[in-house]
Amino acid sequence: DVVMTQTPPSLSVAIGQSVSISCKSSQSLVHSDGKTYLNWLLQNPGQSPKRLIYQVSNLGSGVPDRFSGTGSEKDFTLKISRVEAEDLGVYHCVQATHVPYTFGAGTKLELK
Amino acid sequence: EVQLKESGPGLVQPSQTLSLTCTVSGFSLTDYSVHWVRQPPGKGLEWMGVMWSGGSTAYNSALKSRLSISRDTSKSQVFLKMNSLQTEDTAIYYCTSGGTGHWGQGVMVTVSS
Repeated sequence: DVVMTQTPPSLSVAIGQSVSISCKSSQSLVHSDGKTYLNWLLQNPGQSPKRLIYQVSNLGSGVPDRFSGTGSEKDFTLKISRVEAEDLGVYHCVQATHVPYTFGAGTKLELK
Repeated sequence: EVQLKESGPGLVQPSQTLSLTCTVSGFSLTDYSVHWVRQPPGKGLEWMGVMWSGGSTAYNSALKSRLSISRDTSKSQVFLKMNSLQTEDTAIYYCTSGGTGHWGQGVMVTVSS
């Protein structure tokens, strides 16, 4: 199974600050169809996860453009510019290239 | 509007079988896959398995011997059955659409006598 290593496990931020979260995979996430199926999810407290970014860098529907995703092969980053209160929660990366799909352990974004 | 909703018992006795239903709207099961994901209290997400749009399935190897996923396209429902439940199977169980990225609200399942 593909191991997803997500860092840091937690972040303490002030509103308006920018932050980055890293996700590294144990093998390449480039699918045989040429696409890279690396998604980012946000789980607000007490809520179900919501997809923020799919295929590395594509914003989900209704997701503000202060979120951005970059990366390739085995190394991926989620950046949040100008953090807002509604961004607090747990961020998960998930690879959907190889079955079984696998998740990172999560990064908890808290208010400083 | 795409929606997914999980339903099933909140409490299951050890060694018994869990049966959950995911009812979807806003898309066809023959167009997009539906995945099951679970989350033990205070822990991370675990992918359990998938019903692909073409009707085939795939499972997490750690659960494969206990897990079965099926569907009824006429009712827009996907079913999860998992047998021999233990306390470590206590979790929130989610269904999610692979193509649209939507998630259901989840259903909390507690395994306890």
